[in-house]
Amino acid sequence: QITLKESGLTLMKPTQTLTLTCTFSGFSLSTSGVGVGWIRQPPGKALEWLGIIYWDDERRYSPSLKSRLTITKDTSKNQVVLTMTNMDPVDTATYYCAHKVTGMPFDYWGQGTLVTVSS
Amino acid sequence: DIVMTQSPLSLPVTPGEPASISCRSSQGLLHSNGYNYFDWYLQKPGQPPQLLIYWGSNRASGVSDRFSGSGSGTDFTLKISRVEAEDVGVYYCMQALQTPITFGQGTRLEIK
Repeated sequence: QITLKESGLTLMKPTQTLTLTCTFSGFSLSTSGVGVGWIRQPPGKALEWLGIIYWDDERRYSPSLKSRLTITKDTSKNQVVLTMTNMDPVDTATYYCAHKVTGMPFDYWGQGTLVTVSS
Repeated sequence: DIVMTQSPLSLPVTPGEPASISCRSSQGLLHSNGYNYFDWYLQKPGQPPQLLIYWGSNRASGVSDRFSGSGSGTDFTLKISRVEAEDVGVYYCMQALQTPITFGQGTRLEIK
């Protein structure tokens, strides 16, 4: 059974750096084709894809956020870490991590964590 | 970026009646392997999105056969044969043919 769970600080001040950890089970990020993506959703708004990391350490980022984002993985710990610099109130959102295999959809999602940015 | 446009954005439906949601992409989503890299998700209130349909027409595991997906290229449709109260939520389309992966604006289905 595949599960994912997001964790990290949920209240931030502008200009701070967000670090979220996705801890997963039921699959390995060393298996060919497997990836973990990050998607966020501002309150009452639509889903926005942030980026993804694959088993071979290939990373893809949203062009609009690329300069602020870093996604890394620790295969031994079954964790993926999202780092976003220079947080702003507009970055207030629920952040989700999700499992994906190349050519397949996001089939398993974490419950999400609400990150609030406020001075 | 591939733009995904859904319609309608709001969909009130009487229980037992059918419902249909459309999604149009700004570029074709047909991969060279013959699959459309296009999916439908449902986000129920207070929950993360859940996969309903992948590759345009394949139901995900455990999804009711009341849900069906069709379309190819740039035009896709999600149909619910008989709406039930548990179908309430926001439906999103998504393309994964190329990055950035993009979602539609969402269609809110409510029960009349």
